[in-house]
Order: sequence, then structure tokens, then C-alpha cells
Amino acid sequence: DTGVSQDPRHKITKRGQNVTFRCDPISEHNRLYWYRQTLGQGPEFLTYFQNEAQLEKSRLLSDRFSAERPKGSFSTLEIQRTEQGDSAMYLCASSVSRDLPYNEQFFGPGTRLTVL
Amino acid sequence: GQNIDQPTEMTATEGAIVQINCTYQTSGFNGLFWYQQHAGEAPTFLSYNVLDGLEEKGRFSSFLSRSKGYSYLLLKELQMKDSASYLCAVRARDSGGGADGLTFGKGTHLIIQP
Repeated sequence: DTGVSQDPRHKITKRGQNVTFRCDPISEHNRLYWYRQTLGQGPEFLTYFQNEAQLEKSRLLSDRFSAERPKGSFSTLEIQRTEQGDSAMYLCASSVSRDLPYNEQFFGPGTRLTVL
Repeated sequence: GQNIDQPTEMTATEGAIVQINCTYQTSGFNGLFWYQQHAGEAPTFLSYNVLDGLEEKGRFSSFLSRSKGYSYLLLKELQMKDSASYLCAVRARDSGGGADGLTFGKGTHLIIQP
């Protein structure tokens, strides 16, 4: 399967713990996006990378959230000192920058986080 | 900021036609996307409009009026598998995410009845 993959698919943690999620984009895609989706809402943009550079992080929800893409391939999203309000689906998407009218974002299956 | 509105839920009958509307307010508009999302799954791309008019792709069509800030997704010959959420997303200068960044609406949950 050459789609976007995310690991783990489900994570249950206790409040105050740190969690890290991984995203593997489609291999030739140089752009990678993280979104959060809560029940009944659309995906909410958090941050994105072009290759290894994090070009926007101002929309990360708080300083407890951080993301990396050290070699321009896979990415990790870390949440420190989790709170119950962090419970959500965390989606990763990737795209390739071509000179086209649009560059479709392909989404992974998401990591569902439950904070107890 | 941006504002994207779409109905929360719609119900339609198998074999029929349904139209899902989306209105938006944004600055620096640069395209509108429709995604389908089945429960617990990733959103998948359906259509893209940047110019006014209708784009047809099989059973699905999408329309855009930039002057009215309005789009709709038209689904024909509805099948039970079309039961899903349909997300309207706008690409705009203030979307975040660079040239391809998207701002999503809350989604319309479509229920298909036999």
C-alpha cells in the first residue's frame, strides 16, 4: 500500500502523559500536514512541512504541541502533558508541489487519541 | 478569518439525487474542494473548483459561484455506500498551510435510506 500511513491508529493515555504520533507520507510527496478533527467537526489545520522545513506552526493549539520532520520523510507530532480536551482524531495528509491548478492532499487514516 | 457553512445533516433515498450546499467567506480565495469521509476513515478527495461553473465527474458534480461565495455538491443515483460526511474545504490566503492549505467546514452527514 503506497498511501499515507499513521501509527498508532488508537492511543489511550492518562491525563498528564506525553504522546507521540507518527505519519509516513506518500513517498514522493514533499509536503506534509497535520490536522486535528473532533467529533462533528471538519479537520482543523495545525502545522505543515515542506521537505524538512516546518513552514507554519502558529496554528498549533498550544506550546504543548510540537512536530518534526527531521529527514523530510516521516513526521512526528508530540503532545506533552495531555489534557482531556486533547482527545480527538489527529490526521496527517501529504501532497506534492507541482505546477498544477491544484495539488490534492491525501489523508492518512488518523490516530484517535483518548485522554482519560 | 474564514467562515464556511454547510448543513449538518441531510437524508436522501437510494437512487435519488441530493444537493449539498456550502457557503463561504474568505479573503484570497484560490479554490474549493469537496471531500468524502466515511465514519472513522480518512477524508478522500472528490472534486475541485476554482472557476465559476459546474465540474462533472461520474455520479458526482460540483458547482462554484465565486461572486456569491457558494458551492454545491450534487450526487446522482444515490447508493447506500454514499452514506458519509461530505466536507467543503476552501483554499485561501489565510487558510494556513501554504499554497495548498485548506480550511474545512464542519461537514454534512448524509444518510441514505432504502
